[in-house]
Amino acid sequence: GAGVSQSPSNKVTEKGKDVELRCDPISGHTALYWYRQRLGQGLEFLIYFQGNSAPDKSGLPSDRFSAERTGESVSTLTIQRTQQEDSAVYLCASSFAVKQYFGPGTRLTVT
Amino acid sequence: EDKVVQSPLSLVVHEGDTVTLNCSYEVTNFRSLLWYKQEKKAPTFLFMLTSSGIEKKSGRLSSILDKKELFSILNITATQTGDSAVYLCASLNAGGTSYGKLTFGQGTILTVHP
Repeated sequence: GAGVSQSPSNKVTEKGKDVELRCDPISGHTALYWYRQRLGQGLEFLIYFQGNSAPDKSGLPSDRFSAERTGESVSTLTIQRTQQEDSAVYLCASSFAVKQYFGPGTRLTVT
Repeated sequence: EDKVVQSPLSLVVHEGDTVTLNCSYEVTNFRSLLWYKQEKKAPTFLFMLTSSGIEKKSGRLSSILDKKELFSILNITATQTGDSAVYLCASLNAGGTSYGKLTFGQGTILTVHP
């Protein structure tokens, strides 16, 4: 079956612009996660959605970052007024139980 | 704050060598420890360890968890060039609103030369 998909795969944007990243989880997966991975570093947790519960936003680095998810489907991660330090790969994962399945990521470059 | 630390940060070996990757954790509401292999962008799942002292094996890879000393190791025997990747460990949170949340270590970059 289809895995987790993300779009776009690459995004180059100018400093100060807003960007929106999309994640399509595996159908039936109730949990969805966003992570950020800077070059040469580990995965940094950003936000977690579980069903209809309030999301765990504890990893969002600033109020420029926000994410939404409609029910148990698509999620979008929005970064407003992008900065160069936002350049990273943004990974999305979904799960039904414990094991998380990762998407291919979006590589964001802020110039 | 939950913390997962991996060592070494990078490792260079030759084909046929055996490697041991380390992962220590300081986590409240610990449930399990997971290992992932990351070759390009998306990490792929290797193992999930919940109980102490029970080794999990998959081919040349094996892993074990010590919940008393709060660490896990990942062993790869008879390494091949295809094992070259970043190996990530992550702790799985068991409690409250953070149930299911993974905290990742910084990864070990393994390079296997022919």
